[in-house]
Amino acid sequence: AQSVTQLGSHVSVSEGALVLLRCNYSSSVPPYLFWYVQYPNQGLQLLLKYTTGATLVKGINGFEAEFKKSETSFHLTKPSAHMSDAAEYFCAVSSDTGRRALTFGSGTRLQVQP
Amino acid sequence: KAGVTQTPRYLIKTRGQQVTLSCSPISGHRSVSWYQQTPGQGLQFLFEYFSETQRNKGNFPGRFSGRQFSNSRSEMNVSTLELGDSALYLCASSLGSYTNTEAFFGQGTRLTVV
Repeated sequence: AQSVTQLGSHVSVSEGALVLLRCNYSSSVPPYLFWYVQYPNQGLQLLLKYTTGATLVKGINGFEAEFKKSETSFHLTKPSAHMSDAAEYFCAVSSDTGRRALTFGSGTRLQVQP
Repeated sequence: KAGVTQTPRYLIKTRGQQVTLSCSPISGHRSVSWYQQTPGQGLQFLFEYFSETQRNKGNFPGRFSGRQFSNSRSEMNVSTLELGDSALYLCASSLGSYTNTEAFFGQGTRLTVV
Protein backbone atom coordinates (compact mmCIF):
# COMPACT_ATOMS: atom_id res chain seq x y z
CA ALA A 1 0.00 0.00 0.00
CA GLN A 2 1.06 3.57 -0.43
CA SER A 3 0.20 6.81 1.27
CA VAL A 4 1.01 10.50 1.21
CA THR A 5 1.18 12.91 4.13
CA GLN A 6 1.16 16.64 3.57
CA LEU A 7 2.24 18.55 6.65
CA GLY A 8 0.18 21.68 7.16
CA SER A 9 -3.28 22.04 5.68
CA HIS A 10 -2.75 25.81 5.43
CA VAL A 11 0.43 27.71 4.75
CA SER A 12 0.63 31.48 4.62
CA VAL A 13 3.60 33.39 3.20
CA SER A 14 4.29 36.96 2.22
CA GLU A 15 4.70 37.90 -1.41
CA GLY A 16 8.34 37.44 -2.33
CA ALA A 17 9.02 34.96 0.46
CA LEU A 18 10.11 31.36 0.11
CA VAL A 19 7.38 28.80 -0.40
CA LEU A 20 7.91 25.38 1.19
CA LEU A 21 5.16 22.77 1.08
CA ARG A 22 5.97 19.47 2.72
CA CYS A 23 5.17 16.01 1.44
CA ASN A 24 6.18 12.62 2.82
CA TYR A 25 5.23 9.37 1.16
CA SER A 26 5.11 5.71 1.89
CA SER A 27 5.55 3.18 -0.88
CA SER A 28 6.67 -0.41 -1.01
CA VAL A 29 8.22 0.06 -4.44
CA PRO A 30 10.20 2.92 -5.99
CA PRO A 31 7.61 5.65 -6.29
CA TYR A 32 6.53 8.02 -8.96
CA LEU A 33 5.77 11.34 -7.27
CA PHE A 34 3.77 14.33 -8.42
CA TRP A 35 2.73 17.78 -7.33
CA TYR A 36 -0.54 19.21 -8.60
CA VAL A 37 -2.11 22.63 -8.12
CA GLN A 38 -5.81 23.35 -8.00
CA TYR A 39 -7.35 26.79 -8.35
CA PRO A 40 -10.93 27.39 -7.13
CA ASN A 41 -13.55 25.56 -9.18
CA GLN A 42 -10.89 24.10 -11.43
CA GLY A 43 -9.34 20.74 -12.08
CA LEU A 44 -5.79 19.76 -11.21
CA GLN A 45 -2.76 20.99 -13.08
CA LEU A 46 0.52 19.13 -12.96
CA LEU A 47 3.36 21.24 -11.55
CA LEU A 48 6.10 18.64 -11.72
CA LYS A 49 6.81 14.94 -11.45
CA TYR A 50 9.57 12.60 -10.39
CA THR A 51 9.86 9.24 -12.06
CA THR A 52 13.52 8.28 -12.29
CA GLY A 53 16.83 10.03 -12.71
CA ALA A 54 17.68 13.45 -11.31
CA THR A 55 16.27 13.90 -7.84
CA LEU A 56 15.84 17.67 -8.16
CA VAL A 57 12.88 18.25 -10.42
CA LYS A 58 11.95 21.58 -11.91
CA GLY A 59 8.39 22.35 -12.81
CA ILE A 60 6.25 25.12 -14.12
CA ASN A 61 5.80 28.57 -12.60
CA GLY A 62 9.20 28.46 -10.87
CA PHE A 63 8.41 25.50 -8.62
CA GLU A 64 10.82 22.68 -7.92
CA ALA A 65 10.91 19.62 -5.69
CA GLU A 66 13.60 17.29 -4.47
CA PHE A 67 13.13 13.55 -4.07
CA LYS A 68 14.90 12.34 -0.94
CA LYS A 69 14.63 8.60 -0.65
CA SER A 70 16.30 8.43 2.77
CA GLU A 71 13.72 10.86 4.16
CA THR A 72 10.83 9.59 2.02
CA SER A 73 10.11 13.19 1.17
CA PHE A 74 9.23 15.22 -1.89
CA HIS A 75 8.92 18.80 -0.66
CA LEU A 76 7.81 21.54 -3.04
CA THR A 77 9.62 24.88 -3.05
CA LYS A 78 9.57 28.20 -4.83
CA PRO A 79 12.13 30.90 -4.03
CA SER A 80 9.75 33.85 -4.27
CA ALA A 81 5.99 33.66 -3.84
CA HIS A 82 3.65 35.53 -6.12
CA MET A 83 0.05 36.43 -5.43
CA SER A 84 -1.01 34.16 -8.29
CA ASP A 85 0.46 31.17 -6.43
CA ALA A 86 -2.44 31.20 -3.98
CA ALA A 87 -4.17 27.88 -4.53
CA GLU A 88 -4.39 24.37 -3.14
CA TYR A 89 -1.48 22.03 -3.73
CA PHE A 90 -1.62 18.26 -3.76
CA CYS A 91 1.21 15.78 -3.53
CA ALA A 92 0.53 12.37 -5.08
CA VAL A 93 2.22 9.00 -5.43
CA SER A 94 1.57 6.38 -8.04
CA SER A 95 0.12 2.96 -7.40
CA ASP A 96 2.10 -0.08 -6.35
CA THR A 97 1.12 -1.89 -9.50
CA GLY A 98 2.35 0.87 -11.72
CA ARG A 99 -1.07 1.34 -13.20
CA ARG A 100 -2.77 4.70 -13.18
CA ALA A 101 -4.06 5.10 -9.66
CA LEU A 102 -2.73 8.18 -7.94
CA THR A 103 -2.90 8.37 -4.17
CA PHE A 104 -3.21 11.98 -3.13
CA GLY A 105 -2.31 13.78 0.04
CA SER A 106 -4.95 15.84 1.80
CA GLY A 107 -3.75 19.05 0.23
CA THR A 108 -2.14 22.28 1.43
CA ARG A 109 -3.86 25.58 0.87
CA LEU A 110 -1.29 28.27 0.15
CA GLN A 111 -2.18 31.83 1.03
CA VAL A 112 0.04 34.67 -0.21
CA GLN A 113 -0.12 37.92 1.72
CA PRO A 114 0.65 41.21 -0.02
CA LYS B 1 -5.15 21.14 -28.71
CA ALA B 2 -8.34 20.83 -26.72
CA GLY B 3 -8.06 19.72 -23.11
CA VAL B 4 -10.11 17.22 -21.16
CA THR B 5 -13.79 18.08 -21.33
CA GLN B 6 -16.22 17.07 -18.65
CA THR B 7 -19.95 17.52 -18.93
CA PRO B 8 -22.00 18.74 -17.32
CA ARG B 9 -20.07 21.12 -15.05
CA TYR B 10 -22.79 21.24 -12.43
CA LEU B 11 -25.54 18.83 -11.55
CA ILE B 12 -28.20 18.64 -8.85
CA LYS B 13 -29.88 15.33 -8.21
CA THR B 14 -32.23 13.89 -5.62
CA ARG B 15 -31.42 11.00 -3.33
CA GLY B 16 -32.22 7.68 -4.94
CA GLN B 17 -31.77 8.92 -8.50
CA GLN B 18 -28.96 7.91 -10.79
CA VAL B 19 -26.57 10.12 -12.68
CA THR B 20 -24.21 9.79 -15.64
CA LEU B 21 -21.16 11.98 -16.05
CA SER B 22 -19.18 12.29 -19.25
CA CYS B 23 -15.51 12.79 -19.99
CA SER B 24 -13.89 13.44 -23.36
CA PRO B 25 -10.12 12.95 -23.16
CA ILE B 26 -7.46 14.76 -25.10
CA SER B 27 -7.29 13.54 -28.67
CA GLY B 28 -5.01 10.51 -28.88
CA HIS B 29 -5.17 9.71 -25.19
CA ARG B 30 -6.38 6.21 -24.45
CA SER B 31 -6.38 6.17 -20.66
CA VAL B 32 -9.14 7.80 -18.64
CA SER B 33 -9.23 7.84 -14.85
CA TRP B 34 -11.92 9.10 -12.52
CA TYR B 35 -11.50 10.64 -9.07
CA GLN B 36 -13.91 11.83 -6.42
CA GLN B 37 -13.02 14.94 -4.43
CA THR B 38 -14.80 15.78 -1.18
CA PRO B 39 -13.84 18.05 1.72
CA GLY B 40 -13.86 15.11 4.11
CA GLN B 41 -12.15 12.37 2.12
CA GLY B 42 -10.07 14.42 -0.27
CA LEU B 43 -9.18 13.03 -3.67
CA GLN B 44 -9.95 9.35 -4.09
CA PHE B 45 -9.39 7.13 -7.11
CA LEU B 46 -12.53 5.60 -8.58
CA PHE B 47 -11.38 3.65 -11.65
CA GLU B 48 -9.27 3.73 -14.76
CA TYR B 49 -10.08 2.66 -18.28
CA PHE B 50 -7.66 1.96 -21.07
CA SER B 51 -8.75 0.89 -24.54
CA GLU B 52 -12.29 0.21 -23.31
CA THR B 53 -11.10 -2.06 -20.48
CA GLN B 54 -11.25 -1.28 -16.80
CA ARG B 55 -7.67 -1.63 -15.61
CA ASN B 56 -7.93 -0.59 -12.02
CA LYS B 57 -10.66 0.13 -9.50
CA GLY B 58 -10.69 2.00 -6.23
CA ASN B 59 -12.50 1.16 -3.06
CA PHE B 60 -15.99 2.35 -3.91
CA PRO B 61 -19.32 0.50 -3.77
CA GLY B 62 -20.80 -1.14 -6.81
CA ARG B 63 -23.16 1.80 -7.25
CA PHE B 64 -20.25 3.51 -8.96
CA SER B 65 -19.55 2.18 -12.42
CA GLY B 66 -18.00 3.37 -15.62
CA ARG B 67 -17.27 2.53 -19.18
CA GLN B 68 -15.13 3.68 -22.06
CA PHE B 69 -16.08 3.84 -25.68
CA SER B 70 -14.01 3.08 -28.75
CA ASN B 71 -13.26 6.80 -29.21
CA SER B 72 -11.83 6.84 -25.64
CA ARG B 73 -14.67 8.94 -24.26
CA SER B 74 -15.71 7.72 -20.87
CA GLU B 75 -18.80 7.86 -18.72
CA MET B 76 -19.27 7.14 -15.08
CA ASN B 77 -22.58 6.28 -13.54
CA VAL B 78 -23.72 6.46 -9.96
CA SER B 79 -26.95 4.70 -9.10
CA THR B 80 -29.17 5.13 -6.06
CA LEU B 81 -27.57 8.43 -5.13
CA GLU B 82 -26.82 9.20 -1.50
CA LEU B 83 -26.17 12.55 0.12
CA GLY B 84 -22.55 11.51 0.62
CA ASP B 85 -22.06 11.23 -3.13
CA SER B 86 -22.06 15.02 -3.35
CA ALA B 87 -18.60 15.80 -4.63
CA LEU B 88 -16.46 17.15 -7.42
CA TYR B 89 -15.84 14.33 -9.89
CA LEU B 90 -12.63 14.72 -11.84
CA CYS B 91 -11.60 12.93 -14.97
CA ALA B 92 -7.99 12.63 -16.11
CA SER B 93 -6.65 11.47 -19.43
CA SER B 94 -3.21 10.30 -20.46
CA LEU B 95 -1.48 8.69 -23.40
CA GLY B 96 -0.67 5.44 -21.68
CA SER B 97 -1.82 3.33 -18.83
CA TYR B 98 1.22 3.81 -16.63
CA THR B 99 1.74 6.46 -14.04
CA ASN B 100 5.02 7.78 -15.35
CA THR B 101 3.10 9.56 -18.09
CA GLU B 102 1.37 12.81 -17.34
CA ALA B 103 -2.33 12.82 -16.46
CA PHE B 104 -4.30 15.86 -17.61
CA PHE B 105 -7.35 16.70 -15.55
CA GLY B 106 -10.63 18.19 -16.62
CA GLN B 107 -12.40 20.93 -14.69
CA GLY B 108 -14.68 18.44 -13.06
CA THR B 109 -18.39 17.92 -12.59
CA ARG B 110 -19.82 19.28 -9.36
CA LEU B 111 -22.56 16.90 -8.23
CA THR B 112 -24.92 17.95 -5.48
CA VAL B 113 -27.33 15.38 -4.06
CA VAL B 114 -30.30 16.79 -2.17
